[in-house]
Amino acid sequence: AQSVSQHNHHVILSEAASLELGCNYSYGGTVNLFWYVQYPGQHLQLLLKYFSGDPLVKGIKGFEAEFIKSKFSFNLRKPSVQWSDTAEYFCAVNAPSGGSYIPTFGRGTSLIVHP
Amino acid sequence: DTAVSQTPKYLVTQMGNDKSIKCEQNLGHDTMYWYKQDSKKFLKIMFSYNNKELIINETVPNRFSPKSPDKAHLNLHINSLELGDSAVYFCASSPGEGWAYEQYFGPGTRLTVT
Repeated sequence: AQSVSQHNHHVILSEAASLELGCNYSYGGTVNLFWYVQYPGQHLQLLLKYFSGDPLVKGIKGFEAEFIKSKFSFNLRKPSVQWSDTAEYFCAVNAPSGGSYIPTFGRGTSLIVHP
Repeated sequence: DTAVSQTPKYLVTQMGNDKSIKCEQNLGHDTMYWYKQDSKKFLKIMFSYNNKELIINETVPNRFSPKSPDKAHLNLHINSLELGDSAVYFCASSPGEGWAYEQYFGPGTRLTVT
């Protein structure tokens, strides 16, 4: 079964700092990759996704992620964070498993941005 | 105009009881899911239904029984609740089954078993 690893469990930054959250997955075949965000008190929502093509994908609110196939990675970046980016961030992979497609999520990274 | 809604939002109950959580989506999606998020925020899929048909059942105890009366609804019934069932349960939907689709999540139901 595939797995998703998010290495940073808690990240604390000041406003305007740059952000990079790591995500690695274990499946060796073709995958679709996602980052979701959960703002305090809200439901998870899609930040960005990668299916194919340009490995650098841009999402909402200035976020971007780079798919590096050789490293099985899909790291999330933002050049300058804002206080409103405080949230939980989840990396997810859709990969085939037993004739179906199992969405697998990482354990999440809690980001706190100080004003 | 909530896309994916769940009721109740909070559920506090005692061990051994039976409870249900309801989920509805008004997005016209074909596929719906139940996830369990534990105290460490780990989000794990439990079930998935596509057009009322069960397609994913991730080794969840038999005490958990999903029911999909139509493709807009996916309810979760839990028998003989245990302390370890305490978690946040999220319902989600996607336009179809398969790897190309992102998920649309509900607000979650926080279940506390005492």
